Amino acid sequence: AQSVAQPEDQVNVAEGNPLTVKCTYSVSGNPYLFWYVQYPNRGLQFLLKYITGDNLVKGSYGFEAEFNKSQTSFHLKKPSALVSDSALYFCAVRDWYNFNKFYFGSGTKLNVKP
Amino acid sequence: SQTIHQWPATLVQPVGSPLSLECTVEGTSNPNLYWYRQAAGRGLQLLFYSVGIGQISSEVPQNLSASRPQDRQFILSSKKLLLSDSGFYLCAWSVQGGLENNSPLHFGNGTRLTVT
Repeated sequence: AQSVAQPEDQVNVAEGNPLTVKCTYSVSGNPYLFWYVQYPNRGLQFLLKYITGDNLVKGSYGFEAEFNKSQTSFHLKKPSALVSDSALYFCAVRDWYNFNKFYFGSGTKLNVKP
Repeated sequence: SQTIHQWPATLVQPVGSPLSLECTVEGTSNPNLYWYRQAAGRGLQLLFYSVGIGQISSEVPQNLSASRPQDRQFILSSKKLLLSDSGFYLCAWSVQGGLENNSPLHFGNGTRLTVT
């Protein structure tokens, strides 16, 4: 079965510092990975996706993600955090056997302090 | 551009009452449509998805059902709500197929359902 794991329930970072939100995956075949952000009482917003061959993926709002096949990871990064980046972040994977289905990690709450 | 609408935004219903949540998509044809539930502001549970009119796949057997009466309309229903049905319900769409460029899901703003 396809799955993603977000090992950190919460990440705290000071404004201006780099941030990393971790995600590891377990898939059969090529991984089809995504990152989303959710603000309170809102739907999820798509940030970026992995396409085979691009180990560093750039997305919206200055976010990027680093794909590492040997470590089966797809960590979300940003060089300089903003207070407005504080939100819930989800990693997701498309099901290899039924690509109409998407599964999400448990979410990581990012707190950026001024 | 494509947009997705979900309503109502919030809903308070007594136990045992019926439920109907509606989702519509504009600006695209023949999308895949999805219902997710998010409990306690965390993980998302896939409830139903549909690849076409009248085609519904259920992921979790429960008190809920889904229907797709039109190409861009997806409805989540219940005949009798339970307390455990409380949660944040999210509708989403994706491009049919979409594997070649890894098309993502696009979400609506959700419905907060409280069953009392």
